[in-house]
Parts: sequence; C-alpha cells; structure tokens
Amino acid sequence: QVQLQESGPGLEKPSETLALTCSVSSGSISGYYWSWIRQPPGKGLEWIGDIHYSGTTNYNPSLNSRVTISVDMSKNQISLRLNSVTAADTAVYFCARSPVTNYYNSGGEQIWPGAFDSWGQGTLVTVSS
Amino acid sequence: DIVVTQSPDSLAVSLGERATVNCKSSQSLLYSSNNKNYLAWYQQKPGQPPKLLFYWASTRESGVPDRFSGSGSGTDFTLSISNLQAEDVAVYYCQQYYSRPFTFGPGTRVDIK
Repeated sequence: QVQLQESGPGLEKPSETLALTCSVSSGSISGYYWSWIRQPPGKGLEWIGDIHYSGTTNYNPSLNSRVTISVDMSKNQISLRLNSVTAADTAVYFCARSPVTNYYNSGGEQIWPGAFDSWGQGTLVTVSS
Repeated sequence: DIVVTQSPDSLAVSLGERATVNCKSSQSLLYSSNNKNYLAWYQQKPGQPPKLLFYWASTRESGVPDRFSGSGSGTDFTLSISNLQAEDVAVYYCQQYYSRPFTFGPGTRVDIK
C-alpha cells in the first residue's frame, strides 16, 4: 500500500515562497501522475497542478505563474513551490496519486491521469505575518 | 474551466435509509472514443484526506462497501448510499478529470437524522 507524506513549514509570511515535499513510500513514482491539491479551512478542494513521472507538468491557470511542481526520482519525492503567497493561500495541502490511463484520438494513443486513488494526510500551511 | 455543482448542500438521513447526492457538470464528461465518463466520487471525514469511492463514474474502488453506488453519464451523475451507516457521515465530493484544470464540486454533507 503506497503511502504519501507531505512535509514543510506550517507558517509562511506574506510574499514569501511556500515549499512543500511529498515523500512516497511503499511504492514507486514511476508510472503515475502526481498532483497537489489544497483545501482552505472549512472549504472545498482546489487542484493546483500535476506532474507526470517523466517530468511533464500542468498547472491550474488560476495559480500558473506562481507554481512549480517537480519530481526527484532518486528520493521518491514530489515538490511544490508557490511564490508570493498571501493569506488566501492558507490551506491544507495534499499530494495525491493518479494512475496513467489511455485513450485514442486522431493522434493515436494518448495518456491521461485517472482519478486520485491515493492521498497524503495533508499539511496545513498558514500564511500570516 | 468545467464547473461542477452538487445538490443538495447537505442532507440528513435515518440510519438504514438511502442517501442520494447529485452532481452536475457544465459540459459532458463522456469521452466518445472510449465511452468513459471522467467523473470520480470521494468521501472525506473530518481531519482526513478524501478517499476515492468511484472512478469512471460507476467503477467502485477496491474495499468500498457495495451499499455505495455511482451512476450517471454525460453531465448528470448520482452517488447513492443505501442502508446508511453511522460511519458514512462525511462530506462527499464529485470531481471531473475530463479536462484540466481538474475541478471538484463544492461537496455535500451527509449526516444522520
């Protein structure tokens, strides 16, 4: 059973850079997509972005210019960096895994992430001076 | 972005009765080339991460009790919980993975009456 564990500072000052790590154990990063998802206290879920194990990234346009997701295969870790944080970025941050699925279009076989089948416990990040 | 809505916002159901949660997307989640609906359902209990219940709208994740069922196609989907148990008290989210950015519904809280 794969396990995901988020880690990072619980408190960030406004305008600083939030940096989190998701450590994957009892499983491999290979063969999956990995997403970061956040949930402000008492609110719903927002997808931040994902990374294919090959390194291809996709970001939510609402955060695009501030987000970087990367993967370190040697450490079995996925990282999130979010620049210029404000109080609106206060949330529980989850990492989640998606299987690679396939579909066909005029360009032939394509890959696409499936549903989020494994989640970390989440880490609360508070942005406050 | 695909907008996903849910109804009701919350509901209370007696133990042993049925709870029904509806999910609607702003565009079809059915991909014609593989006839799959890119819709998932999650259960979230307080202080826990979401737990996957269904993917492809109606494929039950391993370990999910069969009193849970997922149905629907295109833009309209339903999560049903028959014979509601105390441990089913949670917030339920639907989520589309048809196109990025992936989006979630606002959630439906299910309580015991």
